[in-house]
Amino acid sequence: GQQVMQIPQYQHVQEGEDFTTYCNSSTTLSNIQWYKQRPGGHPVFLIQLVKSGEVKKQKRLTFQFGEAKKNSSLHITATQTTDVGTYFCAGTSGTYKYIFGTGTRLKVLA
Amino acid sequence: DAGVTQSPTHLIKTRGQHVTLRCSPISGHKSVSWYQQVLGQGPQFIFQYYEKEERGRGNFPDRFSARQFPNYSSELNVNALLLGDSALYLCASSLRMGVTEAFFGQGTRLTVV
Repeated sequence: GQQVMQIPQYQHVQEGEDFTTYCNSSTTLSNIQWYKQRPGGHPVFLIQLVKSGEVKKQKRLTFQFGEAKKNSSLHITATQTTDVGTYFCAGTSGTYKYIFGTGTRLKVLA
Repeated sequence: DAGVTQSPTHLIKTRGQHVTLRCSPISGHKSVSWYQQVLGQGPQFIFQYYEKEERGRGNFPDRFSARQFPNYSSELNVNALLLGDSALYLCASSLRMGVTEAFFGQGTRLTVV
């Protein structure tokens, strides 16, 4: 079945450093979504990418969808302590069944 | 506007028992999806309902069932509970099916002892 993997599993950064998480699907995706989940909280929608090669920015966050629509990345510039949490990608192959990635847990050291 | 509401927030059940979890979507949202999140892992898709019909099902046993009511609220039922069913159960609502943003509720923390 479809699998979505994320790397790294954990990332500790010093405040002000950049952070990137990568998402790889075993199958071609029709679209991909990114979520952030704070410790003890629920996933919160960040963005959705649909087009091959699409790049979207939200302030310090940059999201990219690969040309083959099988991978995606989230890059955070100059991390802040408020960026702490687990970042999940979730992709679908068009069946509306979203497969969540394994997540990347980000810890920001002040 | 109220967000997605789930009840109860916490629940402790004994192995073999049955549980019903409830979800009220955001007003105007017609699609509800259920996910199971085991500690340290990503949410696993269980069901999606749209306009009161099941539109998608994940790889969960038949002990798991759900339904959506005319007011678009939804119930997730789990029979013959196992210890491995202990997890956070999340409900997500969206305006419609397809390429659309999903809003998650706070979840129901189910512990099976």
